[in-house]
Amino acid sequence: NAGVTQTPKFQVLKTGQSMTLQCAQDMNHEYMSWYRQDPGMGLRLIHYSVGAGITDQGEVPNGYNVSRSTTEDFPLRLLSAAPSQTSVYFCASSYMAGDNSPLHFGNGTRLTVT
Amino acid sequence: DQQVKQNSPSLSVQEGRISILNCDYTNSMFDYFLWYKKYPAEGPTFLISISSIKDKNEDGRFTVFLNKSAKHLSLHIVPSQPGDSAVYFCAARRAQKLVFGQGTRLTINP
Repeated sequence: NAGVTQTPKFQVLKTGQSMTLQCAQDMNHEYMSWYRQDPGMGLRLIHYSVGAGITDQGEVPNGYNVSRSTTEDFPLRLLSAAPSQTSVYFCASSYMAGDNSPLHFGNGTRLTVT
Repeated sequence: DQQVKQNSPSLSVQEGRISILNCDYTNSMFDYFLWYKKYPAEGPTFLISISSIKDKNEDGRFTVFLNKSAKHLSLHIVPSQPGDSAVYFCAARRAQKLVFGQGTRLTINP
């Protein structure tokens, strides 16, 4: 059972480049989310989705786009990378939004923007 | 505006003793609280949780206490073991969003 799978594990981008961070889960979870982790800031919510076709913004959505065309996948798109987006990105999922099932996290993507 | 705060960036405890990690929050609308543990190069993993209608929840060596009047949450680990060395995040839920604290790095010394 793979759980939450994130690809790639590492990525280096130049300022202005675009890329997509992939996230897939095989647990049939309805709720999926993206966080970024920065030193001294903890984990901050970027975007989340309560089901296929539904997405919403978190605390720090600027510069990121998401879509949820299937239950399994929740890609995060950086349209024009900036050095401020250098971070570790975590995708997480849970059975449903608002119930008491905990989030399951992937192992992260470490992104550096130069 | 940091709604969930962990004011101790690090904590060092001797093996076998009690570890106490603290967390404060500002939003009284949070209805569920969780603790996650994170090892390097891995994602956070769920440890223990508590509903806002309770003041204590235990799971083996781990106990979470909630003081709603003080808006304070704590995690007790007894006895502490070397494998407990990790970064611990507290988190609070409101509606469909989970808000995390900054994390506390716990080191268990032999």
